[in-house]
Amino acid sequence: GAGVSQSPSNKVTEKGKDVELRCDPISGHTALYWYRQSLGQGLEFLIYFQGNSAPDKSGLPSDRFSAERTGGSVSTLTIQRTQQEDSAVYLCASSRRADTEAFFGQGTRLTVV
Amino acid sequence: GDSVTQMEGPVTLSEEAFLTINCTYTATGYPSLFWYVQYPGEGLQLLLKATKADDKGSNKGFEATYRKETTSFHLEKGSVQVSDSAVYFCALGGSQGNLIFGKGTKLSVKP
Repeated sequence: GAGVSQSPSNKVTEKGKDVELRCDPISGHTALYWYRQSLGQGLEFLIYFQGNSAPDKSGLPSDRFSAERTGGSVSTLTIQRTQQEDSAVYLCASSRRADTEAFFGQGTRLTVV
Repeated sequence: GDSVTQMEGPVTLSEEAFLTINCTYTATGYPSLFWYVQYPGEGLQLLLKATKADDKGSNKGFEATYRKETTSFHLEKGSVQVSDSAVYFCALGGSQGNLIFGKGTKLSVKP
């Protein structure tokens, strides 16, 4: 596709439910990043993929968060047993390499009620 | 580990004022450095970058110079406009291949 695509764009879920957020990177981009941006806050790094492997998972806030990437392309971020503090905009970005421009998707706005 | 520190905001300036947003970093080796911008209601986009020491990145009147000796990459613009109002993020390409951002600095430019 022309850019990084994220779905859904908005998600409202009940506390305790599981959610899956999807990121479709730009074709040919081997690096893929997930971030979280809370209202008025900066970008919180969650996880980074190089191809299908995740060299850096240090940012995942708890074991309720997991992510995978298959075929070196689409990535899914899963949050189990959602909590209200998980409410935020989840951003995905991709790049050819770490030292090249990263392109961001529009994000998924997650609201846990 | 690798990290980025940028000045706290918000920053409020009058149109045509000079802008500096400070950014310093801690990293192994010689990372690439970036400034990203997020305009109201829009996604993040690259503003400029520098890949080695003494490189100067520039775009839309903004400039930043990669200073290895001071581990800094300060963003400057000589004359800001109302349309420059946005949140600005400093970032580096980390030693593990990840992309690390500062907390962001909100800039408001008044006419």
